[in-house]
Amino acid sequence: DAGVTQSPTHLIKTRGQQVTLRCSPKSGHDTVSWYQQALGQGPQFIFQYYEEEERQRGNFPDRFSGHQFPNYSSELNVNALLLGDSALYLCASSLGAGGINYGYTFGSGTRLTVV
Amino acid sequence: DQQVKQNSPSLSVQEGRISILNCDYTNSMFDYFLWYKKYPAEGPTFLISISSIKDKNEDGRFTVFLNKSAKHLSLHIVPSQPGDSAVYFCAARRTKAAGNKLTFGGGTRVLVKP
Repeated sequence: DAGVTQSPTHLIKTRGQQVTLRCSPKSGHDTVSWYQQALGQGPQFIFQYYEEEERQRGNFPDRFSGHQFPNYSSELNVNALLLGDSALYLCASSLGAGGINYGYTFGSGTRLTVV
Repeated sequence: DQQVKQNSPSLSVQEGRISILNCDYTNSMFDYFLWYKKYPAEGPTFLISISSIKDKNEDGRFTVFLNKSAKHLSLHIVPSQPGDSAVYFCAARRTKAAGNKLTFGGGTRVLVKP
């Protein structure tokens, strides 16, 4: 049973460019959450997608946007990249967006470097 | 505003001894707390959790203690094993308001020496 799959694993982009990161949730999961983990820090919540809609959003600018597809997979898009966007981007899937279902499964992440 | 803090960035312990990891929080609305473990090049994996209505939860070698009045929780690993060497994150959530969205601390790197 495949867990959460993220692609690509590593990426180098130039300031001002745009990037798209992809996530396939664990089989049976319908909710995808994205987190940004800067070096030496804990993961920070970006947003969550459920039923193809953004359900919650953390304190991130509009340059960060996402999408969820009918098969529950998700994309994270970042426009006008800044050096400070360099981080590990983690995707976490779960069954249900709310309530007591805390069963996150994290992917291994995409390491984004902005130069 | 860091609502969840892990004040010890690193911890070194001898194999077989106890590892104690600490976590403090400021938001009294948090109702569920979790610990995650992370190896390099892997995503965080769930370790153990505790509801705010309890003060202790035990699972094998791992025990989490919650002191609500002090807004403090700790993770005890006994006995520590070399495979426990990893970064440990404390996380909290406000279930009714925010579902399963998690607020993480900055992590504590644990090194277990053989």
